[in-house]
Amino acid sequence: DAGVTQTPRHEVAEKGQTIILKCEPVSGHNDLFWYRQTKIQGLELLSYFRSKSLMEDGGAFKDRFKAEMLNSSFSTLKIQPTEPKDSAVYLCASSRQGSAETLYFGSGTRLTVL
Amino acid sequence: GQQVQQSPASLVLQEGENAELQCNFSSTATQLQWFYQSPGGSLVSLLSNPSGTKHTGRLTSTTVTKERRSSLHISSSQTTDSGTYLCAIDRDNMGYKLTFGTGTSLLVDP
Repeated sequence: DAGVTQTPRHEVAEKGQTIILKCEPVSGHNDLFWYRQTKIQGLELLSYFRSKSLMEDGGAFKDRFKAEMLNSSFSTLKIQPTEPKDSAVYLCASSRQGSAETLYFGSGTRLTVL
Repeated sequence: GQQVQQSPASLVLQEGENAELQCNFSSTATQLQWFYQSPGGSLVSLLSNPSGTKHTGRLTSTTVTKERRSSLHISSSQTTDSGTYLCAIDRDNMGYKLTFGTGTSLLVDP
């Protein structure tokens, strides 16, 4: 089975731009998570979907971050407008419904905002 | 406050030495997992251990649920063990949504 696929691996944006990160979960997984990883804060949950429905939209990230899941095999995370403080690694993960033991992560997208 | 605290923040060992990593959490948890992240790589689940002791290969995890702590013991460390080790719990006790610690960075020198 293919793992979680994230694209692009690296993204460089100017302040104020709109960027879209993409994620393909493991086939058959119903839970999908977007995390942001920084050295200081570690992993922070941005969004959580179950069976394509948005279950949690991280409060602190709501205004400029929007995650969508139009079908069970594809999710996007849009950041609009980007700010330098958004520079981080964005990780997508998926798992079977209700089973953190089956959680798989993608390789992440490293975002640099200038 | 920090829900999941890990110590030490970093650790340097000589190859062959053992490592002991600690994870303390401030709320009850029905799920606790240890993850490994290679330098520049993605996270991989090492083992799930919400209570008791679990072994896999050179790894041993012991979780004392009522004391809200877990440890990960790495025996006979190898240079390929270098990376970051992360502990995660399901803060809401739902079994699926994980909150992560900031990790222990391990460097094993040859």
